[in-house]
Amino acid sequence: DAGVTQSPTHLIKTRGQQVTLRCSPKSGHDTVSWYQQALGQGPQFIFQYYEEEERQRGNFPDRFSGHQFPNYSSELNVNALLLGDSALYLCASNTGLLNSPLHFGNGTRLTVT
Amino acid sequence: KNQVEQSPQSLIILEGKNCTLQCNYTVSPFSNLRWYKQDTGRGPVSLTIMTFSENTKSNGRYTATLDADTKQSSLHITASQLSDSASYICVVSSILTGGGNKLTFGTGTQLKVEL
Repeated sequence: DAGVTQSPTHLIKTRGQQVTLRCSPKSGHDTVSWYQQALGQGPQFIFQYYEEEERQRGNFPDRFSGHQFPNYSSELNVNALLLGDSALYLCASNTGLLNSPLHFGNGTRLTVT
Repeated sequence: KNQVEQSPQSLIILEGKNCTLQCNYTVSPFSNLRWYKQDTGRGPVSLTIMTFSENTKSNGRYTATLDADTKQSSLHITASQLSDSASYICVVSSILTGGGNKLTFGTGTQLKVEL
């Protein structure tokens, strides 16, 4: 049973470019959340998707957008990349129930030059 | 404002020794508190989860405590091993009006276990 898988594992982009990160949730999970983790910091919540709709959103600009597909997989898109967008982007899935623990993928390391 | 503060920021201990990590939170309304272990370059992995009525929860050599009155939690690691070297993150969940929950993450304690 595969856990949460993310692709790609590493990515290097230039300032101003656009990037798409992908995530497949753990089998049986229908809720996907995205987090940005800067070096030495805790994860910061970007947004959460459930039933193909954005259910919650953190304090991130509109340059960050997402999508969830009918098979529950998800994409994170970042437009007009800034140097400060360099971080580890984590995808997490759960069942959406109140105490359902998050299962994290190993993340995509994005470097913006 | 919901906040989770962890201490110490970093810690170095010798293999075989015990250690305790602290987490203080100002999250309301409280739903549950989780401790995660994050190895370098990997995603966080859940160690324990505690609800309001639980005071202690163990997972092998890891024991978490919760004092909901003082809004404090601790993670005690017994007989540390080199593989315990990681970041330990405290995450507090609050209930949102209208359903769902919101997670507030601490910045983590970086633990290094040395020979």
